[in-house]
Amino acid sequence: DAKTTQPPSMDCAEGRAANLPCNHSTISGNEYVYWYRQIHSQGPQYIIHGLKNNETNEMASLIITEDRKSSTLILPHATLRDTAVYYCIVRGNNYGGSQGNLIFGKGTKLSVKP
Amino acid sequence: EPEVTQTPSHQVTQMGQEVILRCVPISNHLYFYWYRQILGQKVEFLVSFYNNEISEKSEIFDDQFSVERPDGSNFTLKIRSTKLEDSAMYFCASSARTGLAKNIQYFGAGTRLSVL
Repeated sequence: DAKTTQPPSMDCAEGRAANLPCNHSTISGNEYVYWYRQIHSQGPQYIIHGLKNNETNEMASLIITEDRKSSTLILPHATLRDTAVYYCIVRGNNYGGSQGNLIFGKGTKLSVKP
Repeated sequence: EPEVTQTPSHQVTQMGQEVILRCVPISNHLYFYWYRQILGQKVEFLVSFYNNEISEKSEIFDDQFSVERPDGSNFTLKIRSTKLEDSAMYFCASSARTGLAKNIQYFGAGTRLSVL
């Protein structure tokens, strides 16, 4: 699975959009970009994933550059409860028996401030 | 919304004792995982399990660790003889059976294991 690079920390004002970048320059054609977050020692929580098209769900939007070497997770209206560590993970999709694991880096610690 | 349930939330044990951490995955999921997170460190993969056997395991998952799905609902992690360095949060996760959804892993709240 490709390696990812994220800034160690970011601040965001409550109610503003939080834009979290991720570099994955070695991503291969069949690898997806997944985003998870971990709120203070709770279990990681799935947010969104994508291959090459931009994606949006009830939690966030994912913008993937055309060359797929980087992506941005957007929380459109950040709240205090969005304060967490956000992980960008790149992995392939296996359709065989092995599911593989998620490789967590250090992520970006997002602090949403009032 | 269905969720992964882990018990106990906190387990305290003496070094050398056996512990069993329990997980109830989401009911229609077929793929199961254990991860751990030592305080202040990254989340680390331990093992994945499918069709009643281990699919993958990391270097951390040595002979002291074992996993089992004893019935249709529980998924357990056993540590035979705990060491001080086994103190960590242990997270169970599960994922669905088909398509892209099977690569979305849903995590429990974790069990904090404290080895004294």
